[in-house]
Parts: sequence; structure tokens; C-alpha cells
Amino acid sequence: DAGVTQSPTHLIKTRGQQVTLRCSPISGHKSVSWYQQVLGQGPQFIFQYYEKEERGRGNFPDRFSARQFPNYSSELNVNALLLGDSALYLCASSARDIYEQYFGPGTRLTVT
Amino acid sequence: SQQGEEDPQALSIQEGENATMNCSYKTSINNLQWYRQNSGRGLVHLILIRSNEREKHSGRLRVTLDTSKKSSSLLITASRAADTASYFCATDTSGSRLTFGEGTQLTVNP
Repeated sequence: DAGVTQSPTHLIKTRGQQVTLRCSPISGHKSVSWYQQVLGQGPQFIFQYYEKEERGRGNFPDRFSARQFPNYSSELNVNALLLGDSALYLCASSARDIYEQYFGPGTRLTVT
Repeated sequence: SQQGEEDPQALSIQEGENATMNCSYKTSINNLQWYRQNSGRGLVHLILIRSNEREKHSGRLRVTLDTSKKSSSLLITASRAADTASYFCATDTSGSRLTFGEGTQLTVNP
């Protein structure tokens, strides 16, 4: 069975641009969460979606948005990129609301 | 903000030795989970312990939870070079998100 997949693997953007990151959960998983991990720190929660509804939002500005599609895949959008948005963006899926989460390999975003 | 704090920040041991990492947290939890991360890649779930459990084992891993002290420990026995990674504890407090600590970097020397 395929694990959680994320695309792209790496991305370089310029300040002020917009970016879309994509995530496909494990088959049968209906919950997708997004995390931001800045180098040297632990992941920080951004969003959780369950059954296509937003179930949680972390302490991130409105420049960050997400959605979940009928096939449970998800997109994370970040507008007006700042240098501080440079990080590893991790997507995780789970079969239920939280419990064990299965993480994808992440998308490394660099903002210059 | 980080709920959990891991201790130590870095740990270096020889192959075959045991490694112990500690995690403290601030608020009541539903469960606590430990994850491993190799070289800035995706996290791998290791073990989950619920708030009403005190100890759990999985292979060479042993996790304890003391809710009165708001702390947990992860013990890796008979460590191997392949155990070299960052280890994070994560708490589930609200049922919709995990809050991670800043991690312990474990180095196992062959």
C-alpha cells in the first residue's frame, strides 16, 4: 500500500509569491493534517481536515489556507510568501480524528 | 508554542547501550505519542500511550507516562546505529491536533 505522498518534493519561491502544496493520504484515511517544521524545531500544527471539513486551525496567519477534496486529498496554499515561511511542510493522514498519524516525506519550501 | 519539551536536546551513545529521552508537557492530554525523524524527512510514528496508561512496550521501545508529573520517557534498549535520528514527543490535547516538542537528537556510534 502506498503511504502518504506529497508534491512537490522541493520548491523555491520568491517573497510575495503564492504556493500550493499537495498531499494524498493513505487509502481509506479521511483525516489530513498539515504541519510546518522550521529547521531545528519540532513540527507546528497548521490545519486539520476530516471528512472535508476543517476540524482545527493552528496559530498561523490568514495567508495560510487549505482544503480537502472528495477523494480526501488536500492542498495547502500560502499567499504573499515571507522569508520566514521557509520550512519543511509535512502532511499527515489518520484513519480517525487523531490517533496515530502517518506522515508524508514533506515538501521543502525555500523563500528567497 | 511548543507544549512539550524534550530532554536532553542531544544524546550520543555507543551501539548496544540504552538511550533514554524525556518529555514534559503543560496541559492535560488525551494521549502522548513518540515519533522518529531521519535527517529532516517525514516523521515515523513509534508508539502511542493513552492518558490512562502508565507503561507501554513495542519491540525495543518502552514508554512511560506520569500524568501527575506531566512527563513521559522513551527508552530504546540495545541501540543500533540505525536508531540515529531525532525523536519527538507529541501530545494530543484537543482531538484535532498534535503539539510537538523540539526533539532530542540521538546519535548512536558504531
